[in-house]
Amino acid sequence: SQQGEEDPQALSIQEGENATMNCSYKTSINNLQWYRQNSGRGLVHLILIRSNEREKHSGRLRVTLDTSKKSSSLLITASRAADTASYFCATDGGSEKLVFGKGTKLTVNP
Amino acid sequence: GAVVSQHPSWVICKSGTSVKIECRSLDFQATTMFWYRQFPKQSLMLMATSNEGSKATYEQGVEKDKFLINHASLTLSTLTVTSAHPEDSSFYICSASRGSSDTQYFGPGTRLTVL
Repeated sequence: SQQGEEDPQALSIQEGENATMNCSYKTSINNLQWYRQNSGRGLVHLILIRSNEREKHSGRLRVTLDTSKKSSSLLITASRAADTASYFCATDGGSEKLVFGKGTKLTVNP
Repeated sequence: GAVVSQHPSWVICKSGTSVKIECRSLDFQATTMFWYRQFPKQSLMLMATSNEGSKATYEQGVEKDKFLINHASLTLSTLTVTSAHPEDSSFYICSASRGSSDTQYFGPGTRLTVL
C-alpha cells in the first residue's frame, strides 16, 4: 500500500500567495523527501528532512516533520507561476526504497 | 552534479515488439538504480531495484520476464519491455543513487506508447 498520502489533491492559488501541502505516512521512517514534477517530466528533488529534524528551509521552501503524527508539510512562500507542478512526498519506510504519495497538483495563476 | 539521463524520451512501438530504455548517471557512479512506472495523473510505483553487477529485485506483481533489467556498469541500467502490449503504455522513470539510503536522482522519464 502507498505510504504517503498528500492533501489536497489539487490546489489553485494566485501568484504571491503561499501554498501549503500536507503528507501523511503510515510506518516509521529514516527520512522524508519532497519532489516536484512538471507535467510529463521527471522528478526534481526539493528537500530531504530526517526523522530527527522538525523543520528545514531551502529558499522559498519550508518543510516540517511531525513523527508523532506521521505527517509532513511543504510550504512554498510567495508562489510564482513557474511553481505550477505536481508535488510528491516520498518516504523510505526504513529501507532504500522510496514510496511515493499520490501528489498534490499545484496551479499558480499569474 | 547528480544528473541522470534517459533515452529515448519517448517511443512508439507496435504490439509484440520489445523496447529498451536506457538510464545513465552522467556525473556520478550509481551503485543502485531504480525503475518506476507512472500512469497518467497517478503517482510513481516502484517496479524494481537494481544494484550494479547483480540481479534486479522486483516488486510484487511485476513480471521479471517481461521487464528485463540490466545494470552492467555503475553508470548505466537498461529496462527492456518485452513483447509489449497496449497496457504497457506508461511513463517509465529511472532514478540513481550513490548507495543505499542516499538521495535518489531521477531521470526525465520515457513515454512508451504501444499501438
